[in-house]
Amino acid sequence: EVQLVQSGAEVKKPGESLKISCKDSGYSFTSYWIGWVRQLPGKGLEWMGIIYPGDSKTKYSPSFQGQVTISADKSITTAYLQWSSLKASDTAMYYCARRLTETPAFDTWGQGTLVTVSS
Amino acid sequence: QSALTQPPSASGSPGQSVTFSCTGTSSDVGGYNYVSWYQQHPGRAPKLMIYEVNERPSGVPDRFSGSKSGNTASLTVSGLQAEDEADYYCSSYAGSNNLVFGGGTKLTVL
Repeated sequence: EVQLVQSGAEVKKPGESLKISCKDSGYSFTSYWIGWVRQLPGKGLEWMGIIYPGDSKTKYSPSFQGQVTISADKSITTAYLQWSSLKASDTAMYYCARRLTETPAFDTWGQGTLVTVSS
Repeated sequence: QSALTQPPSASGSPGQSVTFSCTGTSSDVGGYNYVSWYQQHPGRAPKLMIYEVNERPSGVPDRFSGSKSGNTASLTVSGLQAEDEADYYCSSYAGSNNLVFGGGTKLTVL
């Protein structure tokens, strides 16, 4: 069974750095794009960017370019989303999701990682 | 790129049909047959219900169907059931490996 397992909830202070993870199990990690999606409290889904773990090629939404870094370590079949300096406005649920091979749709989702940034 | 436009809410009684709209531009919805729809129950991760405008993943009931006309895509849920009450989000490919979501529609089953 294809599964994406995300790291646990985080509570951070403004200005701190953070790296959350998304580990796959059950499929060829290097053959599918992995995307990250933000959901602000009580709000809708926002596409942040995507990575192809096979060669670490990435594409960011213009809204998130320069704000976060998406990476992957194919040796441990894990994708990452990181911030160098968190802001209170980064408080949200973050989902990773696997994109289907031939079409830009996400068929498998992680359970989500809640990030809370508060002083 | 701007978010796709979805009505904030919709409702229907059990057994009825309800249709949600998702309006974009010629640079996203109108330009590609890559519209997807996701269902999200409170506290849960989204679930893919429709991809490529009208294709259903394995396991999704055929009560769910999609269509597109010009810059507007639609999701129809037929034979409404209580468990269909959820938020529904559309998304569209927007070129150059970009994706855009809609703001979501909250479906209430009366």
